[in-house]
Amino acid sequence: DAGITQSPRHKVTETGTPVTLRCHQTENHRYMYWYRQDPGHGLRLIHYSYGVKDTDKGEVSDGYSVSRSKTEDFLLTLESATSSQTSVYFCAISGAQGGEQYFGPGTRLTVT
Amino acid sequence: GQQLNQSPQSMFIQEGEDVSMNCTSSSIFNTWLWYKQDPGEGPVLLIALYKAGELTSNGRLTAQFGITRKDSFLNISASIPSDVGIYFCAGQMIQGAQKLVFGQGTRLTINP
Repeated sequence: DAGITQSPRHKVTETGTPVTLRCHQTENHRYMYWYRQDPGHGLRLIHYSYGVKDTDKGEVSDGYSVSRSKTEDFLLTLESATSSQTSVYFCAISGAQGGEQYFGPGTRLTVT
Repeated sequence: GQQLNQSPQSMFIQEGEDVSMNCTSSSIFNTWLWYKQDPGEGPVLLIALYKAGELTSNGRLTAQFGITRKDSFLNISASIPSDVGIYFCAGQMIQGAQKLVFGQGTRLTINP
């Protein structure tokens, strides 16, 4: 199994509060991704990183920001959480040109 | 954004039956991947395909990269209870782009 951990695994927060989710990898992979998974929408890419301090937007990036100051850590921040951001968030990593991605266990976020 | 058309959306089968599912797209893909997701966990990579026409097996699972490069198939032979879960296809459109497009998933339920 790829060495990927996500924290926290579960979080309940109130609308308007900031939230930061952490993804940590021990594989030294170059690429890291944040997805959200919602019923009826499958997996949708929020942001991704192709190196330290190098990030780019995915298809559903509004309301989210990311940072990557070290190879092993990729942070996802919701500056002001909204109920529409209630979801399960997955981090993934990739080191292969072929595109294979390996997923973390997920964070279930509920915004009340 | 770009989506893969995955079918069927759900399957209800008897233990021991064979299973077939597929993904199609109007675009050409360079890599096809198949994942399985168990409840409460992240997707796990099952099979990766890199060449048109390629047929790859992983135990009772067999996947094929379509000749047109616009589709892929996953077959599971002699299903067992632990095969229950959601199966996702994913494709990489551009070599080295490091982003994947995901299907909506096929939910497999097995009656013992």
